[in-house]
Amino acid sequence: EAGVAQSPRYKIIEKRQSVAFWCNPISGHATLYWYQQILGQGPKLLIQFQNNGVVDDSQLPKDRFSAERLKGVDSTLKIQPAKLEDSAVYLCASSLGRQIEAFFGQGTRLTVV
Amino acid sequence: AQSVAQPEDQVNVAEGNPLTVKCTYSVSGNPYLFWYVQYPNRGLQFLLKYITGDNLVKGSYGFEAEFNKSQTSFHLKKPSALVSDSALYFCAVTKGGGSYIPTFGRGTSLIVHP
Repeated sequence: EAGVAQSPRYKIIEKRQSVAFWCNPISGHATLYWYQQILGQGPKLLIQFQNNGVVDDSQLPKDRFSAERLKGVDSTLKIQPAKLEDSAVYLCASSLGRQIEAFFGQGTRLTVV
Repeated sequence: AQSVAQPEDQVNVAEGNPLTVKCTYSVSGNPYLFWYVQYPNRGLQFLLKYITGDNLVKGSYGFEAEFNKSQTSFHLKKPSALVSDSALYFCAVTKGGGSYIPTFGRGTSLIVHP
């Protein structure tokens, strides 16, 4: 089965610019997660969708980050404006259910300069 | 708030020797516990999980983990390490029966020497 697809793989932007990441989960997976992984740390959950509804976004910096999941399938995560501390790998994951193991994409490495 | 601790940043073991990667957790109620592995330039891959039932769970690539409720631990083990097991290992917890917000540890780098 095809895995979780993410694009782009790498992105370099200047601070105060905007950026968007795209994720295509495994077909049929109702739950979709976006994580931020800073170098040397574990993934930190930013937002969790169940189908196209938001289940949890308590750790999403809503003044600059936004995410949507159209029709309960693909998802985009946007940062506007970016700050230096947003430099990280952004991981998308999906699962059949919220208590079931997740499948991760390869991530997007964002560098803000 | 729930949390996960992986007390060792790095574990070194010789090939053929047993390995243990430690994980302790804090969560109210019954935990759902997971181990993931991350190889260089690859996404995280699921290894094994504990939801309920037998405290010893077996997973991929010969790994196993033991759930210890009294010590709130979920240590990852393998009887005989391979050089190819060298990778970054993450423990994660989510609260069973309630909200399912996964919390990950900071990771442990496992280095298996030939």
